Amino acid sequence: DAGVTQSPTHLIKTRGQQVTLRCSPISGHKSVSWYQQVLGQGPQFIFQYYEKEERGRGNFPDRFSARQFPNYSSELNVNALLLGDSALYLCASSKRALGDYGYTFGSGTRLTVV
Amino acid sequence: LAKTTQPISMDSYEGQEVNITCSHNNIATNDYITWYQQFPSQGPRFIIQGYKTKVTNEVASLFIPADRKSSTLSLPRVSLSDTAVYYCLVGANNNDMRFGAGTRLTVKP
Repeated sequence: DAGVTQSPTHLIKTRGQQVTLRCSPISGHKSVSWYQQVLGQGPQFIFQYYEKEERGRGNFPDRFSARQFPNYSSELNVNALLLGDSALYLCASSKRALGDYGYTFGSGTRLTVV
Repeated sequence: LAKTTQPISMDSYEGQEVNITCSHNNIATNDYITWYQQFPSQGPRFIIQGYKTKVTNEVASLFIPADRKSSTLSLPRVSLSDTAVYYCLVGANNNDMRFGAGTRLTVKP
């Protein structure tokens, strides 16, 4: 079975632009979460979606938005990019929204804002 | 949300057992304790999860005392490839699991 797949793997954008990152969860997983990881820090929670509904939102500005599709894949959108948005964006999937299972993470999308 | 405290870094040598302790004084009744491993430029990898007492799998053991205010990840006979950052998380729902700064383990030959 394929793991969590994210695309693209690398991306360079200019300040003020918009970006869309994509994630396909493991087959059968209905929960998708997004994390931002700045170099040298632990991943920071952005969003969780379960059964196409937002179940949690971290402390990120409204420039960050996400959605989950009927096939449980997900997109993360970031508008009006800032230099500080440069980071590794991680997607994680799990079977349920509860914590008693653990996540499977993808390898991430490396976003560089110049 | 339960906050976790881990050592920032640890050093070990190949073949030794490594124990990384995490403090979570405010853990809630429904919270699980989960450990992840992360290599540079990769997503974290699930290692082990537990609720109480001891859990063991093919790569690690997790020891949780009765009060659950701390937990210890035990890695038997580490190798150079175990050099990574290890994160301890507590939570009951995936939307309240927060990563701290983690413990940077360096295994030396």
